[in-house]
Amino acid sequence: QLQLQESGPGLVKPSETLSLTCTVSGGSISSSSYYWGWIRQPPGKGLEWIGSIYYSGSTYYNPSLKSRVTISVDTSKNQFSLKLSSVTAADTAVYYCARRGDSVDYWGQGTLVTVSS
Amino acid sequence: DIQMTQSPSSLSASVGDRVTITCRASQSISSYLNWYQQKPGKAPKLLIYAASSLQSGVPSRFSGSGSGTDFTLTISSLQPEDFATYYCQQSYSTLPITFGQGTRLEIK
Repeated sequence: QLQLQESGPGLVKPSETLSLTCTVSGGSISSSSYYWGWIRQPPGKGLEWIGSIYYSGSTYYNPSLKSRVTISVDTSKNQFSLKLSSVTAADTAVYYCARRGDSVDYWGQGTLVTVSS
Repeated sequence: DIQMTQSPSSLSASVGDRVTITCRASQSISSYLNWYQQKPGKAPKLLIYAASSLQSGVPSRFSGSGSGTDFTLTISSLQPEDFATYYCQQSYSTLPITFGQGTRLEIK
């Protein structure tokens, strides 16, 4: 059974860079059929797609966040990572990592990241 | 971006009721439409993919229909565990993938 697990700091200061890692177990991140992505959900609000990456390193970012987002993959560790720079309070959210084909069929449990000084 | 609009935003219903949630896309997305259920404090769960295909393990009381711009999620007979928030999501355009704003289904 595929499992995804987010890890990283739960508190980030304004203007700094948010960094999260997703570890995939029970399957290979190098599967040719899927992308791996990040989705976030501000408290009490809806879902926002941040971006996704293919195992080869090809990336697709939400244009609304593109200037601040970097997603990378480490196939040797079966992990992919998110960096979001210059964060503000508006970036406070639960961040999910996920597997995407034509649908998002596997999700991590989510991790709350709070932006505050 | 392709905008996804769900209606209603919230809904009160009783156990045993038949419930329909609607999702409209701002342009045609063929059948590239998925439905998710989210319970408080949990990650979303895929219910329906490709507009009408039931994800493995999802009860058959859930069904989806539609194509082009208009889609529906129907729960034929509400069960206590179905009270949650439901989201539609289009995967026709991946730049970016977009979700509806959610429909909160509450107990009447």
